Amino acid sequence: KNEVEQSPQNLTAQEGEFITINCSYSVGISALHWLQQHPGGGIVSLFMLSSGKKKHGRLIATINIQEKHSSLHITASHPRDSAVYICAAGWDDKIIFGKGTRLHILP
Amino acid sequence: DADVTQTPRNRITKTGKRIMLECSQTKGHDRMYWYRQDPGLGLRLIYYSFDVKDINKGEISDGYSVSRQAQAKFSLSLESAIPNQTALYFCATRQGGTDTQYFGPGTRLTVL
Repeated sequence: KNEVEQSPQNLTAQEGEFITINCSYSVGISALHWLQQHPGGGIVSLFMLSSGKKKHGRLIATINIQEKHSSLHITASHPRDSAVYICAAGWDDKIIFGKGTRLHILP
Repeated sequence: DADVTQTPRNRITKTGKRIMLECSQTKGHDRMYWYRQDPGLGLRLIYYSFDVKDINKGEISDGYSVSRQAQAKFSLSLESAIPNQTALYFCATRQGGTDTQYFGPGTRLTVL
């Protein structure tokens, strides 16, 4: 059974800090997803990775297939980055979601 | 206009009532999904559909049923709602052969 574990569960940081959220999964996957859930509840897909690294603005996602581990980094964090970040592992037509990391950036 | 819409956005109902949540999409995707989200838990799959004639149970389908009326519409029904079905429900779509899912805005359901 594939499981997805995220750490930390909660993270509070000051504006401007470099943020790292980690995700580990237990079996082989075809894609690793990072999602952002806004305080109002809406979910947006940030990245889909199968290898290497992707960057979009201040967000960077990396994946290490051998170690079954992915990280989401936020550079120069801002209060508007406050949200729940969800990691999800996909394989075949299945997808399993982590419980999310609640990020709070203080001004 | 949003590509994936859900109605209603909020619903309060009583135990034993029949409830239908509706999802529509304009993305032309063939695959549609229903998830529920509970505090402290990840999103969990209720049902999914690969096309109008292909409906599949997810990990928590008991107490729910679905209908894929057209490629663009996927409805979730609670035949007799119970309080532990109080949750945030999300519809999502995906085009077969791609990996990205697109989520609706969610329906907050409260069963008293």
